[in-house]
Formats: sequence, C-alpha cells, structure tokens
Amino acid sequence: AQSVTQPDIHITVSEGASLELRCNYSYGATPYLFWYVQSPGQGLQLLLKYFSGDTLVQGIKGFEAEFKRSQSSFNLRKPSVHWSDAAEYFCAVGAATNAGKSTFGDGTTLTVKP
Amino acid sequence: DTAVSQTPKYLVTQMGNDKSIKCEQNLGHDTMYWYKQDSKKFLKIMFSYNNKELIINETVPNRFSPKSPDKAHLNLHINSLELGDSAVYFCASRAGLAGTDTQYFGPGTRLTVL
Repeated sequence: AQSVTQPDIHITVSEGASLELRCNYSYGATPYLFWYVQSPGQGLQLLLKYFSGDTLVQGIKGFEAEFKRSQSSFNLRKPSVHWSDAAEYFCAVGAATNAGKSTFGDGTTLTVKP
Repeated sequence: DTAVSQTPKYLVTQMGNDKSIKCEQNLGHDTMYWYKQDSKKFLKIMFSYNNKELIINETVPNRFSPKSPDKAHLNLHINSLELGDSAVYFCASRAGLAGTDTQYFGPGTRLTVL
C-alpha cells in the first residue's frame, strides 16, 4: 500500500528566507509524486509533479522539488518565501494501478513572518 | 470559467437530516472524486467515478451515496447526518485513470452538522 509522511506539521519562516518542506513516501514501484498547495478557504492547486526523468522538477510560484529514490523523499523548496505563500501544503503519491488513486500526506502548515 | 465547481459552498444542518452536495466539471474529464477533509486538514479519498462507473469506494459509511448522472457531474448524498460528518468535502477531476494525470479540485463544501 502507498503512504506519504510529512514530518513537519507546522513550519514558520520569515519572509525572504528559504523554505524546505519534507515529504517521505512508501510505494512498491516507481512513484508518481505531487505537491499541492491549499490557500485558506480554497481547494487544492497543483504546484508540481514528478513521474520520471530529471529528479529536480520546477513548478509554479517559484517552487521546486527534488526526488531522491535512495531516501524515498520528495522535498519541496523555495529560495525566497513571500507572505502570500502562507498556506497548507500537501504531498501526494499516485499509483500506476488502482485507478491512479492518490494518497495524500497530512499536510504542513506554512506561516510566514513579516 | 470555473473548472470544477461545487454547490453549496456552505451547508449547515441538524443531525439526522439528509443533504446533497453537487459537483460539476467543465474540463471534459472522465474521472471524478470525492474527498473529505477533517478539522485537522487530513484529506482522505472517499469515492471515484470513471465514465459514470464507481471505481474506488473507500471505507465509507453507506449513509454516503455518490451518484454520477453523466461524466461531468458527481453528486454526494448523505443520509442521517451525524456530528462526525462535519468536514470540508472536495470534489476533484482528472482526465483519465493514469496516476500521472493532474487532479483539479473544486473550492470545497464546508458541512457543519449541529
């Protein structure tokens, strides 16, 4: 069975500082990995995704993530955080079978200090 | 135009009542989902339909009954509402069943059971 762990429930960073959100996955085959962002009162929006190829993927809003198979990780990074990045971030792993079912992590809440 | 829309956005009701939430997508997608997000922001899949057929049915009480009248619509009917049903319910769609397909989420329906 697939699973996702986001070890950090809540992270606070200062505006302009760098950000790294951690994600570890468990899946028997090559995983399909996603990061979504949920702004307050909104639905989830895809930031980026990884299926194969270059292990460093670029997404929207200046985010990037690096797939590390040896560590079963897919950490999200941003070099300089903006106040508008304050939101809930979800990592998800998708299956190649089982109707492409996605399993989501429990989320990390990002607070940005001025 | 909104890609995935849900109605109503807010729903407040008494225990024991029956209510429905509607979802529509105008993306031409074949697959639609219902997710439940509880007060701790945990996001869990409930159901998935592909071309109007139920393909994923997680361990959900049978008081919850999804219905897909056509590919563009997936409604969720809940009988005998309980306090524990209070949550935000998200509809999502994707092009097909491939785990690589991006999911597009609706804005959510916040259900409060009193």
